[in-house]
Amino acid sequence: DAGVTQSPTHLIKTRGQQVTLRCSPKSGHDTVSWYQQALGQGPQFIFQYYEEEERQRGNFPDRFSGHQFPNYSSELNVNALLLGDSALYLCASSLRRGDYGYTFGSGTRLTVV
Amino acid sequence: AQSVSQHNHHVILSEAASLELGCNYSYGGTVNLFWYVQYPGQHLQLLLKYFSGDPLVKGIKGFEAEFIKSKFSFNLRKPSVQWSDTAEYFCAVNARTTTGNQFYFGTGTSLTVIP
Repeated sequence: DAGVTQSPTHLIKTRGQQVTLRCSPKSGHDTVSWYQQALGQGPQFIFQYYEEEERQRGNFPDRFSGHQFPNYSSELNVNALLLGDSALYLCASSLRRGDYGYTFGSGTRLTVV
Repeated sequence: AQSVSQHNHHVILSEAASLELGCNYSYGGTVNLFWYVQYPGQHLQLLLKYFSGDPLVKGIKGFEAEFIKSKFSFNLRKPSVQWSDTAEYFCAVNARTTTGNQFYFGTGTSLTVIP
């Protein structure tokens, strides 16, 4: 059990559509980070949320947006999907003032056709 | 910009062989270093981490890594691999800023252990 729950596990969307991915952090964690892992690549940082605000952002376009709820869970939204958005999307939770320990979820496999 | 380089993309070893996976990073500030493993179909799991102190760190499943500051390296080692070590291995650097912290991952090394 990873402690971080992501849903759905798999998703197929059509180009131009919008998608929402969800993440429930490990109990006790208050920070959620999202990563995109393309096939054969390492995870790339999308953004991080703490106290319901986006705190840091990687090199991703505005089509990628997110939200964090009062219970620390988070959503990742991607608009106007492109074929290149096909990837494994990972959520990681941590404590903002912790020992840098990240716990990763199993990910959502998004396929854009 | 920060970056993490893993020079071995695919490694194939026989059981009981020794393993060393290279990792180099570029970042001028203080970093924390990690190795993660991703078994087929599973989530990323922490193997070991270095924050400070003894540059030789030991992790789970017999893995260890050595931080060499002068070389900006954090190589992963295991004296004798097992078939169950077949997985993808990612080196990661955590850079802490005033607004939080984020991980920079290498592209990964795929390890195949032949029984």
